[in-house]
Amino acid sequence: DTAVSQTPKYLVTQMGNDKSIKCEQNLGHDTMYWYKQDSKKFLKIMFSYNNKELIINETVPNRFSPKSPDKAHLNLHINSLELGDSAVYFCASSQAFAEGTEAFFGQGTRLTVV
Amino acid sequence: GNSVTQMEGPVTLSEEAFLTINCTYTATGYPSLFWYVQYPGEGLQLLLKATKADDKGSNKGFEATYRKETTSFHLEKGSVQVSDSAVYFCALLNTGGFKTIFGAGTRLFVKA
Repeated sequence: DTAVSQTPKYLVTQMGNDKSIKCEQNLGHDTMYWYKQDSKKFLKIMFSYNNKELIINETVPNRFSPKSPDKAHLNLHINSLELGDSAVYFCASSQAFAEGTEAFFGQGTRLTVV
Repeated sequence: GNSVTQMEGPVTLSEEAFLTINCTYTATGYPSLFWYVQYPGEGLQLLLKATKADDKGSNKGFEATYRKETTSFHLEKGSVQVSDSAVYFCALLNTGGFKTIFGAGTRLFVKA
């Protein structure tokens, strides 16, 4: 059983399009995240949700809109895609408030905007 | 604010060489510290962690000791293998925090 699964794994789309990436975790965690990894492997947090509520929004353009229908799912919708949005997007989950709690990551979605 | 600094890569070693990847951090309070590993085409996975000063995390022959006096958490392995080739990320999480902060990552290449 995959702990954190995200779909699709690859996404190629044209500038200006709108796309969504889905994420689900079966670990029973309360907190989910979206991270963006650029071509140099630098990993930057975008959003964090705890029990379906947004708690971190790291100055991400409002073209990016996360949605958490329940605490096991955190989807990412991107409007008006730009070339600079090309990256690998990782979903993750953890059990916040627990000492030393690690994050569990999905396999990533490689987004290419052409 | 909180931050993590790790040595720039890439690091290229021959098989069975000794590995050190340096990591230092800045944080308020008493963070937990982690090393994650990312193999090609995969997501990050936890390699080891330490939750308080002087703790040593270890896994798969890797180890790192939480040094509060030097705010460091250096990763070491006595004898690397080709299969250890990956990108390694040092990270911290403050107690009760919702945000794991990652270093820039260090790519390791191990040659046979």
